Amino acid sequence: QKEVEQNSGPLSVPEGAIASLNCTYSDRGSQSFFWYRQYSGKSPELIMFIYSNGDKEDGRFTAQLNKASQYVSLLIRDSQPSDSATYLCAVSSGGYQKVTFGIGTKLQVIP
Amino acid sequence: DAGVIQSPRHEVTEMGQEVTLRCKPISGHNSLFWYRQTMMRGLELLIYFNNNVPIDDSGMPEDRFSAKMPNASFSTLKIQPSEPRDSAVYFCASSSNGGPSYEQYFGPGTRLTVT
Repeated sequence: QKEVEQNSGPLSVPEGAIASLNCTYSDRGSQSFFWYRQYSGKSPELIMFIYSNGDKEDGRFTAQLNKASQYVSLLIRDSQPSDSATYLCAVSSGGYQKVTFGIGTKLQVIP
Repeated sequence: DAGVIQSPRHEVTEMGQEVTLRCKPISGHNSLFWYRQTMMRGLELLIYFNNNVPIDDSGMPEDRFSAKMPNASFSTLKIQPSEPRDSAVYFCASSSNGGPSYEQYFGPGTRLTVT
């Protein structure tokens, strides 16, 4: 079992819709959770991080964490074609900066 | 401010040759990470340095891979001898211990092709 699981996609959504990206992790001791965005041919960049159960909102992005279910998600409201990228879920066990990345979900926003 | 700098950006070499990838982290960052990214395996951590000391090298695939960080502003990843299965994009990333999010800043990557 992989430590961080994501559906590789592609996930296709129409422009203006809500894109929902999901991630599960295996280590119950995980403490920090990150979403990175990676455009084709580019390097990953951090867009959200979350530590506590519940929702965290930043503009059009909302990260959701449920530690009991070992589940973290990213919602993108009012999706734009410029949101088309691969979204990497990353998990850290805390006290140590090592993060484990999922395979990434490719998102396609259709104009 | 300059971000993480990696060189070369592209490297094409023949099987059996030595390859050296270079990284300059962001000034003031005290953690440095080397990753390898492939379509099949995604982004894999190879080695992690903190204050120039290797902390976790469990991701280094085999003895053909070695990494050094002689000072706070420079690190190398060496593959000797290289094999076609080493073809991938290699990223270097740095972060600051003081950052609450432990955000890692990635360099542009080195695309390695071994023929």
